[in-house]
Order: sequence, then structure tokens, then C-alpha cells
Amino acid sequence: EPEVTQTPSHQVTQMGQEVILRCVPISNHLYFYWYRQILGQKVEFLVSFYNNEISEKSEIFDDQFSVERPDGSNFTLKIRSTKLEDSAMYFCASSPSTWTTASVFGEGSRLTVL
Amino acid sequence: KQEVTQIPAALSVPEGENLVLNCSFTDSAIYNLQWFRQDPGKGLTSLLLIQSSQREQTSGRLNASLDKSSGRSTLYIAASQPGDSATYLCAVRPEGNAGNMLTFGGGTRLMVKP
Repeated sequence: EPEVTQTPSHQVTQMGQEVILRCVPISNHLYFYWYRQILGQKVEFLVSFYNNEISEKSEIFDDQFSVERPDGSNFTLKIRSTKLEDSAMYFCASSPSTWTTASVFGEGSRLTVL
Repeated sequence: KQEVTQIPAALSVPEGENLVLNCSFTDSAIYNLQWFRQDPGKGLTSLLLIQSSQREQTSGRLNASLDKSSGRSTLYIAASQPGDSATYLCAVRPEGNAGNMLTFGGGTRLMVKP
């Protein structure tokens, strides 16, 4: 069964450093998403991406965050200057279309900011 | 703003018991509702997707129902097994321009004892 693949599975970084989280969505999917889950809290929407541009973003997704689809397979989330509160599990997801189809999630990338 | 609540937050049952997990949402203007399973430190596995026009969906021992007008969904697990132990999350996809994002509940942590 097709999977959404995320790397790295765990990254530890120092506050203020830039981090790039990578995702390979399912190949025939058109919509891509990033969510995050701070330990013990709800899963929160960050951003959705379609046709090479951001289609929606939440209040969390401020100027410190950016997303990119640098080639035909990868989808990345960049945090420019990490803060302690960015420590969380980051999930990438994709769906073949929107509205009526299920989102498929990856295993997550755990980010620890020291 | 959509709020999704799951009750109970935690549940412990003996093996073989049938159980019901509850999910409520404040805004009934949704396209669909999705139930996920999350194992500790892992990603989200989609279990069932119910469209707003549907009343229920079944997959094996799982049955999910949706009452959109009252803002409620239930996940019924028949003949529970220790392998069902996990956190179960529900998430709703809103109608309208914000239809790309899922809003999640806090989850029900289920433990099935042998």
C-alpha cells in the first residue's frame, strides 16, 4: 500500500538553527499538508499546498515557516530560526484531491529544540 | 471556530468487550469526518472516512456513525483485542474555503487488557 515517507524520524537542534523536514507524498496525490503535535496536545494544522502554492495556512504558520516542493517528489517544511516551542512531532500528509477524500499521514518527524 | 471533543479521554477494558468512543464537533458544516489510530510515538493511521451525506461506515470490527446535524460521531469497536490498544483520534474537514484542513479532537487513549 502506498505510503507517505518522512525524514528524518528524529532531529535534535539548537535554538536559532534552521531545520528542514522532508516528506515524499504518495505519487498520484495532488494535495500536501503539514500538521504538528506538541507532546500531550492535539494535532494542529499548519499548511496545505496545491499546484505549487500554499492554499491555506493556520495562525501557527508564521514567517518562520516555509514550504516547498523542490522537485516532483519531495515536499519540505523549513523552520528558519527554531524556538523551544517548536519542539513537536511534525506530520506530513497527502490526499488525491480535497473535500471528499481521506488524508494519508506519514510516520512523523520528531523535532527537539534545545 | 470549530472545536472537536472526544470523550472519554482514556478507557481501559478487558479483552472481548464491545466499546464505543465518542466524538463531538461544534460546527456541523463539514464535508466529512475521519477516524485515525495513533500508536505511541507513531504516525496517524486512517481507519474510516465518513462523508457528510453518510450515516455510517464499517471496516472489519470497526463501525463509525455520523450524525451531522447534532455534531456527533461514534466509533464502535467489536470484540476488542489487546492489539487495539492505541489512541483513537477523530478529525473533521470543514465545508467552504477551509476544506483543506482537518481539525482534530484530543483523542481517546484505549487500553485493552488480556
